[in-house]
Amino acid sequence: GAGVSQSPRYKVTKRGQDVALRCDPISGHVSLYWYRQALGQGPEFLTYFNYEAQQDKSGLPNDRFSAERPEGSISTLTIQRTEQRDSAMYRCASSPARGDVTEAFFGQGTRLTVV
Amino acid sequence: QQPVQSPQAVILREGEDAVINCSSSKALYSVHWYRQKHGEAPVFLMILLKGGEQKGHEKISASFNEKKQQSSLYLTASQLSYSGTYFCGTGRRQNSGNTPLVFGKGTRLSVIA
Repeated sequence: GAGVSQSPRYKVTKRGQDVALRCDPISGHVSLYWYRQALGQGPEFLTYFNYEAQQDKSGLPNDRFSAERPEGSISTLTIQRTEQRDSAMYRCASSPARGDVTEAFFGQGTRLTVV
Repeated sequence: QQPVQSPQAVILREGEDAVINCSSSKALYSVHWYRQKHGEAPVFLMILLKGGEQKGHEKISASFNEKKQQSSLYLTASQLSYSGTYFCGTGRRQNSGNTPLVFGKGTRLSVIA
């Protein structure tokens, strides 16, 4: 696609429900990152992949959060048993090569609200 | 380790200059600068990859002092379109070869006519 696509754009869910957030990176991009961004704050790292391999998941807040990228393209961030504190903007970014030496392209994000 | 940005916010009149600083307590390999407008995704401005490197982008340029573990973003003759929040993202080496960027809290820049 032309850019990084995330879906849904908005998600309202009840506390205790599971949610799955999808990221479709730019075609051919090697690295894919998940960030969480609170209002007025910078993106907070969650996890990233090179191809289908999850390289670092140290930013995931707890074991209710998980991510996968099974075929090295589309990625899904899953939050189980959602809590109100999970409410935030979740952003995905992709880069054509190693993330620390190339530009990262961000998606429009998924605004998650847990009620 | 989250980099520290300063100032937190700045208001400029069109045509004025500004400097945004980004510093880290850890040794840096790369510094990335992004600008985010309200309600939009962060947009890449530039990457600095080695100490002493300076880069320019129209009237926006940046420097990277590896020894001091800091970077500065320079905006000259500011335009209304420069308004937004500026984030620096810092990268460090890992065994896997690349690191996820750690972003600062941002500097909110407002340019007024």
